Amino acid sequence: QVQLVQSGAEVKEPGASVRVSCKASGYAFTSYEINWVRQAAGQGLEWLGWMNPDNGNTDYTMKFQGRITMTGNPSISTAYMELNSLRSDDTAVYYCTRGRRLVAPGTRWLDPWGQGSLVIVSS
Amino acid sequence: EIVLTQSPGTLSLSPGERATLSCRASQIVSSVYFSWYQQKAGQRPRLLIYSASSRATAVPDRFTGSGSGTDFTLTISSLEPEDFAVYYCQQSDRSPWTFGQGTKVEMK
Repeated sequence: QVQLVQSGAEVKEPGASVRVSCKASGYAFTSYEINWVRQAAGQGLEWLGWMNPDNGNTDYTMKFQGRITMTGNPSISTAYMELNSLRSDDTAVYYCTRGRRLVAPGTRWLDPWGQGSLVIVSS
Repeated sequence: EIVLTQSPGTLSLSPGERATLSCRASQIVSSVYFSWYQQKAGQRPRLLIYSASSRATAVPDRFTGSGSGTDFTLTISSLEPEDFAVYYCQQSDRSPWTFGQGTKVEMK
């Protein structure tokens, strides 16, 4: 079945960087974009951006421009999200989720979702 | 940026009652690119409705999505105990893709 499995929890100091991985299985990795969404404790869902595993193109929400990098390694069906210059308000659960289908029909819903990776930023 | 505003923030209902959740967009959203997600406590979000009105795999038919343009609705015809959760609307029509702030459906 289609599945996304993410890396484990991380604790980082302010100013550091974190990289979260997302391994896909059960479908052709390069046929769908991977999106990243985060959720702070008790808060709603915040879309961070998407990465096209076929050509490496990305689209990041303006708030994170210059601080976030999304990449992929098709040979191991794994996507990565790196966030730099971490602050305490980056503490959240980070989810990867399969997004836009890159072949017709170009569906755009987010399904499935990874289990989430907790990132704690604390000194 | 397309802002999605969900109402109400919290819905207190009993099992068996009907739930009506609203999502209003600040600009017209293509129905094809409008979705609803369910998130239970401590779990990852789950796709519920895509293209405004199509149920995702294994979603019971008591869930119905409707609407177009700037006004969309999720209706749960008769609440089951497992339906008490937070529901988010989402658009992927224009970047940045955005979510509503969520409606919590809680047991009365």
